[in-house]
Amino acid sequence: EPEVTQTPSHQVTQMGQEVILRCVPISNHLYFYWYRQILGQKVEFLVSFYNNEISEKSEIFDDQFSVERPDGSNFTLKIRSTKLEDSAMYFCASTLTSSGYTFGSGTRLTVV
Amino acid sequence: AQTVTQSQPEMSVQEAETVTLSCTYDTSESDYYLFWYKQPPSRQMILVIRQEAYKQQNATENRFSVNFQKAAKSFSLKISDSQLGDAAMYFCAYRSSSVTQGGSEKLVFGKGTKLTVNP
Repeated sequence: EPEVTQTPSHQVTQMGQEVILRCVPISNHLYFYWYRQILGQKVEFLVSFYNNEISEKSEIFDDQFSVERPDGSNFTLKIRSTKLEDSAMYFCASTLTSSGYTFGSGTRLTVV
Repeated sequence: AQTVTQSQPEMSVQEAETVTLSCTYDTSESDYYLFWYKQPPSRQMILVIRQEAYKQQNATENRFSVNFQKAAKSFSLKISDSQLGDAAMYFCAYRSSSVTQGGSEKLVFGKGTKLTVNP
């Protein structure tokens, strides 16, 4: 069964550093998403991406965040200057239609 | 804005027994999707079951079934013949289907219910 692949599985970074989280969505999917889950809390929407542009973003997704689909297969989330409160599990998801998302296994980001 | 409420932070069930997890939601939309996701300790989000609001028939996937009460805005998950591998966090989620009419395409999650399965 097709999967959404996320790398790395765990990343530790120093506060103020830039990080790039990578995702390879399912190849024929058209809609791509990033969500995050701070430990012990609910899953929160960050951004959706369709037709090579952001289609929706949340209040969390401020100027420190950006997304890119550089080569037609990868979908990346960049955090320019990480803060301690960015420590969370970040999930990539993709879908062909609105009927169901496929999530990746997540990247655990730890900011120290 | 839509909200999803899971009123049971934790539930437990004996192996082979049946358990029901509750979910209520608030929306002014008439057409939408509802989902249950499972998050085991590995923290991957796994789709368990989905329901289209326009369908009156409750969705079923093997041991998992839902009780969808549209008027009451209730969407509970029933797990039959519980297995040790069912132990996980379970999240209820809502998604608008009217994206072209201004609805949001994001999933709105509840806070989750931690299910423990006792041998």
